[in-house]
Amino acid sequence: DVKVTQSSRYLVKRTGEKVFLECVQDMDHENMFWYRQDPGLGLRLIYFSYDVKMKEKGDIPEGYSVSREKKERFSLILESASTNQTSMYLCASSLPGFAGDEKLFFGSGTQLSVL
Amino acid sequence: DQQVKQNSPSLSVQEGRISILNCDYTNSMFDYFLWYKKYPAEGPTFLISISSIKDKNEDGRFTVFLNKSAKHLSLHIVPSQPGDSAVYFCAADYGNKLVFGAGTILRVKS
Repeated sequence: DVKVTQSSRYLVKRTGEKVFLECVQDMDHENMFWYRQDPGLGLRLIYFSYDVKMKEKGDIPEGYSVSREKKERFSLILESASTNQTSMYLCASSLPGFAGDEKLFFGSGTQLSVL
Repeated sequence: DQQVKQNSPSLSVQEGRISILNCDYTNSMFDYFLWYKKYPAEGPTFLISISSIKDKNEDGRFTVFLNKSAKHLSLHIVPSQPGDSAVYFCAADYGNKLVFGAGTILRVKS
């Protein structure tokens, strides 16, 4: 069974802290993505990666960075957490070029609260 | 500026009746559209998709219709079941990534 695993289900951090969100997929997918979900705004793309050590900015990259040192792992980093980064963070992976119908496989999400 | 819009934040339907969820898009370059379903505390899961060369795709109780001239697509669920209660996201394929709408909360009452 295919799986995208996010390391934490809930996180509470303080303003100014450096935060790491980890994501691992076991499907040997080239593409990995980080989205955040906010009420009324849907899913917005933060960063994505097509290959190891490659990264591309999404629609809302400000305040975030990413790391992909291994194919199966994609980390999202909040350099200095702020309250407006309180959100549900969703990691996803896919094959390149959207082969087939199932474009993205998502993890269960990390609910981050920044106090 | 949202390129994929779901203008109805929520929809309530009686069990057994039809649910119709709507989605509008602005970018005529989008050539593939998908619907995802999300339950609380879970990640979204793929439901159904449609290519821009088609106007309809059906999978069991779920049918997606695409009207390219109107830049509009809709998801029909017939008959609706209580287990269909979830958030439904419309998405468009855009250069090897997906652009999502804001989502519609569907409540199916028994």
